[in-house]
Amino acid sequence: DGGITQSPKYLFRKEGQNVTLSCEQNLNHDAMYWYRQDPGQGLRLIYYSQIVNDFQKGDIAEGYSVSREKKESFPLTVTSAQKNPTAFYLCASSTAGREPQHFGDGTRLSIL
Amino acid sequence: SQQGEEDPQALSIQEGENATMNCSYKTSINNLQWYRQNSGRGLVHLILIRSNEREKHSGRLRVTLDTSKKSSSLLITASRAADTASYFCAGGFGNEKLTFGTGTRLTIIP
Repeated sequence: DGGITQSPKYLFRKEGQNVTLSCEQNLNHDAMYWYRQDPGQGLRLIYYSQIVNDFQKGDIAEGYSVSREKKESFPLTVTSAQKNPTAFYLCASSTAGREPQHFGDGTRLSIL
Repeated sequence: SQQGEEDPQALSIQEGENATMNCSYKTSINNLQWYRQNSGRGLVHLILIRSNEREKHSGRLRVTLDTSKKSSSLLITASRAADTASYFCAGGFGNEKLTFGTGTRLTIIP
């Protein structure tokens, strides 16, 4: 079955540590997105990529980094520069220029 | 910045009743989408309406769009317990940068 897989489901970060969230899709979608969701809030765009080896900052990119070396994969690194990383992170993908977005089931990141 | 603001923030209704949620947005869009999110899960796309459309139906869902008022509404008819979820509107041009609203939390009481 086609879909988007995010891993791990739960992740804990220590002070000063970088952590990487995985997002893999087998939908043959060109575009991929990372969102952050805080409790009771909507989604805010962190980064997005419309093609391999290219990505753009979203509204809240500070403290995060991404790579897009393969069409299927769009990992997100939460760096130590992100001082308030506790949130629910959602990855999505779509056929470039066509709606809608398909979402994974998220990774919940907490601070130890 | 949040493009859409949903109203109400929370809604509780009896099973079988209709549920209406509203969304307002700030800037120009060429499409507005509605998504559902069950607790602790990802979002699921429900329906999309384009800026040149005024109303669209899909099963028990009815969406309206008023571009002059920059607003949209989602109506769920004959609600079921399984409709309990949060509902988000999202607007944008194409799919490059969808901007999501803050959501309406819908509870269906059996």
